[in-house]
Amino acid sequence: AQKVTQAQTEISVVEKEDVTLDCVYETRDTTYYLFWYKQPPSGELVFLIRRNSFDEQNEISGRYSWNFQKSTSSFNFTITASQVVDSAVYFCALSEFNKGTSYGKLTFGQGTILTVHP
Amino acid sequence: GAGVSQTPSNKVTEKGKYVELRCDPISGHTALYWYRQSLGQGPEFLIYFQGTGAADDSGLPNDRFFAVRPEGSVSTLKIQRTERGDSAVYLCASSSTPHNSPLHFGNGTRLTVT
Repeated sequence: AQKVTQAQTEISVVEKEDVTLDCVYETRDTTYYLFWYKQPPSGELVFLIRRNSFDEQNEISGRYSWNFQKSTSSFNFTITASQVVDSAVYFCALSEFNKGTSYGKLTFGQGTILTVHP
Repeated sequence: GAGVSQTPSNKVTEKGKYVELRCDPISGHTALYWYRQSLGQGPEFLIYFQGTGAADDSGLPNDRFFAVRPEGSVSTLKIQRTERGDSAVYLCASSSTPHNSPLHFGNGTRLTVT
């Protein structure tokens, strides 16, 4: 069975601070994908990033960066110089891609509520 | 172009009633998914369509829940004999291919069963 744990329920920071959102996952599969989604107050889930299990290279996109470590089954997300617009709920998700299984069948964590104060 | 559209955005119904929730995916997207998100939780997978057929319905909680996609585009999630525990936001997502493209989610339908 798959499981995604986001231990931080809520995080509050002041604008321009850096913040890291933790994600730990469990899977028996050797081939899988990891995702981060952002859910602003409007409710729509916005795709941020996808990594596959073969690629442990860290990724940076503007103020966002992701640290994938298979040894610790973690896929952490860092926002540098946070802004008020970053306030949202952030979800980490896992997809196992086996024969006959859609990679869009995601197992989500419970989410981390990030509040960035001006 | 337009994103995934879900209607209604809000639905209030009485316990025991039947409801239908509609999803209009992005044009040309062959894969369509339904998820359910309870308050304070992450979304939970319900069912996945590839074209017109339900390729995986393992997430449907019981036989009161059913979904169709008769022409391979619009999908309807149907809930019979609603219960208060069915109250949640029902999210629909689509992708252009089932194995590689990211999911595009709609804004969801908030269902409240009184």
